[in-house]
Amino acid sequence: NAGVTQTPKFRVLKTGQSMTLLCAQDMNHEYMYWYRQDPGMGLRLIHYSVGEGTTAKGEVPDGYNVSRLKKQNFLLGLESAAPSQTSVYFCASTLPAGAGELFFGEGSRLTVL
Amino acid sequence: GQSLEQPSEVTAVEGAIVQINCTYQTSGFYGLSWYQQHDGGAPTFLSYNALDGLEETGRFSSFLSRSDSYGYLLLQELQMKDSASYFCAVRVGTGGFKTIFGAGTRLFVKA
Repeated sequence: NAGVTQTPKFRVLKTGQSMTLLCAQDMNHEYMYWYRQDPGMGLRLIHYSVGEGTTAKGEVPDGYNVSRLKKQNFLLGLESAAPSQTSVYFCASTLPAGAGELFFGEGSRLTVL
Repeated sequence: GQSLEQPSEVTAVEGAIVQINCTYQTSGFYGLSWYQQHDGGAPTFLSYNALDGLEETGRFSSFLSRSDSYGYLLLQELQMKDSASYFCAVRVGTGGFKTIFGAGTRLFVKA
């Protein structure tokens, strides 16, 4: 029962470097989301996907790109990391119907120097 | 866009009852959820209200008034382990749902 798995858990980057965060879910969920969490600011939606091959912008999409090539995976990319992207990133998934309970991964802590 | 307002901090004593309010302004509203997050952990789902009224789950209850764009989370018989951050979140969307979170309320439970 893996649920939602994020890799890596921790990463330190230098300004300008690129990286990709991987989110994988084994619950056959249609919807997947990427959030960032900064102290005192709650969770802010970066991008989301309502199905394989589709993505949409959330509240804070600038500086990030996403892809959903397979239903179970949702990738978040930083093309040129900036210190302002230092944050904890959470991936979540859910089904379209019902309460829309979000199932979260454990989070990925990213530091950009 | 969407906006949610909730108090930043609440303090209560063990065994007491606490209410965390949430007001929201949004379009395409479907429902209001509540999540709990302990320090260093991931958010976990507590409740969801799509219709007006009170939903009860054990020591936790959640209320929604769609006409007032208002909801609250009620925690009864507070325990030390309830010390955490609580987030209200709105489910919105047309042609696909997304969930937008408030900034969170930090609950401190004192002995």
